[in-house]
Amino acid sequence: GQNIDQPTEMTATEGAIVQINCTYQTSGFNGLFWYQQHAGEAPTFLSYNVLDGLEEKGRFSSFLSRSKGYSYLLLKELQMKDSASYLCAVRDDDYKLSFGAGTTVTVRA
Amino acid sequence: IAGITQAPTSQILAAGRRMTLRCTQDMRHNAMYWYRQDLGLGLRLIHYSNTAGTTGKGEVPDGYSVSRANTDDFPLTLASAVPSQTSVYFCASSEGDSGEQFFGPGTRLTVL
Repeated sequence: GQNIDQPTEMTATEGAIVQINCTYQTSGFNGLFWYQQHAGEAPTFLSYNVLDGLEEKGRFSSFLSRSKGYSYLLLKELQMKDSASYLCAVRDDDYKLSFGAGTTVTVRA
Repeated sequence: IAGITQAPTSQILAAGRRMTLRCTQDMRHNAMYWYRQDLGLGLRLIHYSNTAGTTGKGEVPDGYSVSRANTDDFPLTLASAVPSQTSVYFCASSEGDSGEQFFGPGTRLTVL
């Protein structure tokens, strides 16, 4: 089975940095994805990690440690438009995604 | 470029009725997926198709069926809707089964 945990909610100030942690216990591992989902909209792809280490993409970075079953998404220079849910998803050996429940980030002025 | 479209956008349905949610993609992706999203539970896979002509069961397949007659279309059918199927349904597709998944805009379904 799959068990993916991430915090339910986080609040941060505009211009700040927020780190969203994701821990997982899965029957297989073939990569970890982060998606962003604004209220009432579809999830959109943010990042993908399959090897240990940090992947940087503009203001967003994602880190993976396979031995620890741990990932984080780092959002820098927060903007109001970053208020959204962030979904951690693990791909198993059958290439199917299992999603965490999501972390709702609220950015305050 | 439309990407993935879903229809209807929303629907209110009486329990016991049959309903088909439509999903069409124009990216020529081989793999397609149906998820439901419920508050506090995240996205859960209902059914998937790795290529036209094949389908498979996901985490929560009971009460749902799918077909994949061609590459572009992947309809989801509720044979006899029940209130617990009230949810937001997302269709997704990917290039092969190893690529990122692209999601449609979703269908909000309410079963009374």
